[in-house]
Amino acid sequence: EPEVTQTPSHQVTQMGQEVILRCVPISNHLYFYWYRQILGQKVEFLVSFYNNEISEKSEIFDDQFSVERPDGSNFTLKIRSTKLEDSAMYFCASSDQNNYGYTFGSGTRLTVV
Amino acid sequence: AQSVTQLDSHVSVSEGTPVLLRCNYSSSYSPSLFWYVQHPNKGLQLLLKYTSAATLVKGINGFEAEFKKSETSFHLTKPSAHMSDAAEYFCVVSDTSYDKVIFGPGTSLSVIP
Repeated sequence: EPEVTQTPSHQVTQMGQEVILRCVPISNHLYFYWYRQILGQKVEFLVSFYNNEISEKSEIFDDQFSVERPDGSNFTLKIRSTKLEDSAMYFCASSDQNNYGYTFGSGTRLTVV
Repeated sequence: AQSVTQLDSHVSVSEGTPVLLRCNYSSSYSPSLFWYVQHPNKGLQLLLKYTSAATLVKGINGFEAEFKKSETSFHLTKPSAHMSDAAEYFCVVSDTSYDKVIFGPGTSLSVIP
């Protein structure tokens, strides 16, 4: 079964540093998403992306965050200047037009120290 | 706007006994509904999904869920719990075919030997 691949599985970064989380969505999917789960809390929507632009973003997704699809296969989330409270599990997801194939990656655990 | 309520934050069952994890949703449209499982320090695994086909949905590992529109419920069941079922379970709803999904707060399932 097709998978959404995320790398790295775990990243440790110093506060104030830039970090890029990488995702390879399922190849024929057109809609891409990032979600975040702070330890012990529920999964929260960050941003959705379609046709090379952001289609929706949450209030969490402030100017420190950006997303990009630099080529035909990767989908990245960049945090410009990480804060301690950015420590969380970040999940990438992709879907087809009918949501039948809404699939999450295994996540990247980001630890900001 | 969509929302998801998981009535129990924690459920404990004995091995071999039935599992019932409750989920109620609010949606303006005909929703897509999902159940995901998350084992400790792991990613999100799709158990099953409802997308306006059969109201009784069978998933992996013996789980199933029934969509009841009149009750706005999508409860997850399993006839006989196994130790490996101990995990966090999330009920998830999506309004449109390619929209963000909304996670419930999760139910932690413990299985007692």
